[in-house]
Amino acid sequence: RKEVEQDPGPFNVPEGATVAFNCTYSNSASQSFFWYRQDCRKEPKLLMSVYSSGNEDGRFTAQLNRASQYISLLIRDSKLSDSATYLCVVNKDNNAGNMLTFGGGTRLMVKP
Amino acid sequence: GAVVSQHPSRVICKSGTSVKIECRSLDFQATTMFWYRQFPKQSLMLMATSNEGSKATYEQGVEKDKFLINHASLTLSTLTVTSAHPEDSSFYICSARKRDRVSEQYFGPGTRLTVT
Repeated sequence: RKEVEQDPGPFNVPEGATVAFNCTYSNSASQSFFWYRQDCRKEPKLLMSVYSSGNEDGRFTAQLNRASQYISLLIRDSKLSDSATYLCVVNKDNNAGNMLTFGGGTRLMVKP
Repeated sequence: GAVVSQHPSRVICKSGTSVKIECRSLDFQATTMFWYRQFPKQSLMLMATSNEGSKATYEQGVEKDKFLINHASLTLSTLTVTSAHPEDSSFYICSARKRDRVSEQYFGPGTRLTVT
């Protein structure tokens, strides 16, 4: 079983749609959770951290369910520029410092 | 800011040759740098963790004699792919961590290596 699992997609949605991505992680000791965005042939860029209480940043909402070891990202009012691969990232081992484990990514295609 | 650069951005080399990739933190001191590899349509996989002034820690399955890492200063880490083969063709990305912000990593733009 992969440490961080995501549906690879692609998710093809029209502009303005709401889309949700899910992610599960296997290490119950994981402490920090993030969503990164990666454009084709580029480095990943931090989109947002994910907090236990859930957090929102503009059109993006992230949720964490520690009991189910499940993370989600909701994108409202999708824009063409949201087309990218979204990576679910988990801190591998808090005691070792910030060791990130990446999910395989979910590809989003927003169409006009 | 926290800018990380990589050089070269793209390299094509012949099988059997060695390639060195540089990772620099431009405006901060990086006590720890990480090297990742990403094959097409796959996730980033951590190859090794590099701490300034000490030997790198390699992840399971990564050959330390093939992927030589040197973190000689607080702003520079290098990855040398020795005796490269076509299966080493990949996207290599480094990231750096600040001394006082251990919860954050800053990624370089990546180096695309093609071995012919």
